[in-house]
Amino acid sequence: SAVISQKPSRDICQRGTSLTIQCQVDSQVTMMFWYRQQPGQSLTLIATANQGSEATYESGFVIDKFPISRPNLTFSTLTVSNMSPEDSSIYLCSVESNEKLFFGSGTQLSVL
Amino acid sequence: GIQVEQSPPDLILQEGANSTLRCNFSDSVNNLQWFHQNPWGQLINLFYIPSGTKQNGRLSATTVATERYSLLYISSSQTTDSGVYFCAVDGAGSYQLTFGKGTKLSVIP
Repeated sequence: SAVISQKPSRDICQRGTSLTIQCQVDSQVTMMFWYRQQPGQSLTLIATANQGSEATYESGFVIDKFPISRPNLTFSTLTVSNMSPEDSSIYLCSVESNEKLFFGSGTQLSVL
Repeated sequence: GIQVEQSPPDLILQEGANSTLRCNFSDSVNNLQWFHQNPWGQLINLFYIPSGTKQNGRLSATTVATERYSLLYISSSQTTDSGVYFCAVDGAGSYQLTFGKGTKLSVIP
């Protein structure tokens, strides 16, 4: 299995600001995935991040709002830009290892 | 896109009871996984099971791909089994999974 460190674990932010979430994996992986879990809801895939290329975004998510970096095979960041209260959610990074998907502990974001 | 429906949405069990959670999906899948999200929010992968049957301790899962459903069995439930169980699938065999809405399980002593 993969060990994923994600930070910050939680943050409270003012509307209009941006927050960058970091995800570190203990092994090299080709793809990293970013998910959002809105309060009391299921998980929705935001984007897939491959090293050396632009992230692929799912319908309803755009690069200007959720820019992603993937500088190497063990690290990725997701930025939530120009935040509004509707962005209050848990954001999770994940990777595949031995056919299974593993998740970081998540970043709980509250926007005031 | 592929649709995933889980049932029941909520389940309350007495400790020691058995339960069956169901996941129906709308199209053929090459990747199906079950997850447990504990009350602290951590997601744990239980099974990768696009077809067939697997067992891990008190948990087992069966996927009947031709009939587009998967079942998760929990035997002799414990309070630590409480949380939300998610089924997630992908038709292309990738890891860009579509999640169901989950089954919230509460095990009471």
